Amino acid sequence: IAGITQAPTSQILAAGRRMTLRCTQDMRHNAMYWYRQDLGLGLRLIHYSNTAGTTGKGEVPDGYSVSRANTDDFPLTLASAVPSQTSVYFCASSVGSYNEQFFGPGTRLTVL
Amino acid sequence: GQNIDQPTEMTATEGAIVQINCTYQTSGFNGLFWYQQHAGEAPTFLSYNVLDGLEEKGRFSSFLSRSKGYSYLLLKELQMKDSASYLCAPEDSNYQLIWGAGTKLIIKP
Repeated sequence: IAGITQAPTSQILAAGRRMTLRCTQDMRHNAMYWYRQDLGLGLRLIHYSNTAGTTGKGEVPDGYSVSRANTDDFPLTLASAVPSQTSVYFCASSVGSYNEQFFGPGTRLTVL
Repeated sequence: GQNIDQPTEMTATEGAIVQINCTYQTSGFNGLFWYQQHAGEAPTFLSYNVLDGLEEKGRFSSFLSRSKGYSYLLLKELQMKDSASYLCAPEDSNYQLIWGAGTKLIIKP
């Protein structure tokens, strides 16, 4: 793989179900991010990780959790999905927290 | 609070020049990014300004005034492929990007 990938591309999920969105990068970037993008709103940061083994909360962390066991992977978990979590989710990475971010193709999630 | 203001939508003609403005208020400031996002795709990096002034990169230029909390993206010789949303994202004192809702640019032949 080259760059940053996300899976699945899209998903329809019943409310109350648990879901993990996957994100993998092969650029050896230290920092990784999860955003959600909703119509008419800017990208909103959910969680971030400045380096493997550390994570932090962004602007809208409630209902989401992340882990960063290694440099390449940064999964986002919805423990019990709710309809307000219907959105497009983008994973991004950067060399450091002060560098340009490279984005994955996104996951379109619908919670019914 | 933190606030980003940019026009929701702009229309321009192929071959022309367009300027997309962005004003911002953030908790501290380190620099400002501009990204391009085509419909249904991920954002891609266009420019990063740290110092006041104009940074030119081919058909695209970006300007920053730190004292005024103001930036603009200038697109010259517009092409149909420039139809996209343009996202302004200042970087706060914690190096977190604060994203504007974006300006949808429509290019007409």
